[in-house]
Amino acid sequence: GENVEQHPSTLSVQEGDSAVIKCTYSDSASNYFPWYKQELGKRPQLIIDIRSNVGEKKDQRIAVTLNKTAKHFSLHITETQPEDSAVYFCAASNYKLTFGKGTLLTVNP
Amino acid sequence: GAGVSQTPSNKVTEKGKYVELRCDPISGHTALYWYRQSLGQGPEFLIYFQGTGAADDSGLPNDRFFAVRPEGSVSTLKIQRTERGDSAVYLCASRPGTGDFGYTFGSGTRLTVV
Repeated sequence: GENVEQHPSTLSVQEGDSAVIKCTYSDSASNYFPWYKQELGKRPQLIIDIRSNVGEKKDQRIAVTLNKTAKHFSLHITETQPEDSAVYFCAASNYKLTFGKGTLLTVNP
Repeated sequence: GAGVSQTPSNKVTEKGKYVELRCDPISGHTALYWYRQSLGQGPEFLIYFQGTGAADDSGLPNDRFFAVRPEGSVSTLKIQRTERGDSAVYLCASRPGTGDFGYTFGSGTRLTVV
């Protein structure tokens, strides 16, 4: 089955800096790669996703890149703000989502 | 409905008891998923329904766990002889169907086994 590795497990940045979270996956059949933000006690919220026929996607301060050959995908957040602080999960999907273990992002004011 | 609804939002039960968790997906969504999220971990896949049938139940941890979706809409996750290790948030998600990746998650049921 699919295996998703996510790094780092914790990330602390200063407000205004960029944050990068990286994931790898194992199943070449995976064709959909979403990123979720989860605040304490809340459901995962989709923040951006990318499909396997696209290499990069951007939405304001958030971007995702995908390297299908290397089975890597990354989340980039620019101009971080304190409200970006949360746990971020990557996932890979063929017909079901397999999640990484999460990254706790702390943005210090 | 407007979103995926899960009930109850919280459930406290004694070790050894039976519990049922309910998921009401978005109307018309044929694909339904159950996930379990333990503290500090990512959601772990339990079971996937396409319509009324369980297309993949490989994530169910043991035979104490069972799920049904008899009419292809509402699903119930059933846990027998609960153990303290079953304590977690149980998340349900639905999406329109094959080829559409728009997963929508419910708010989850926090199960605590004491």
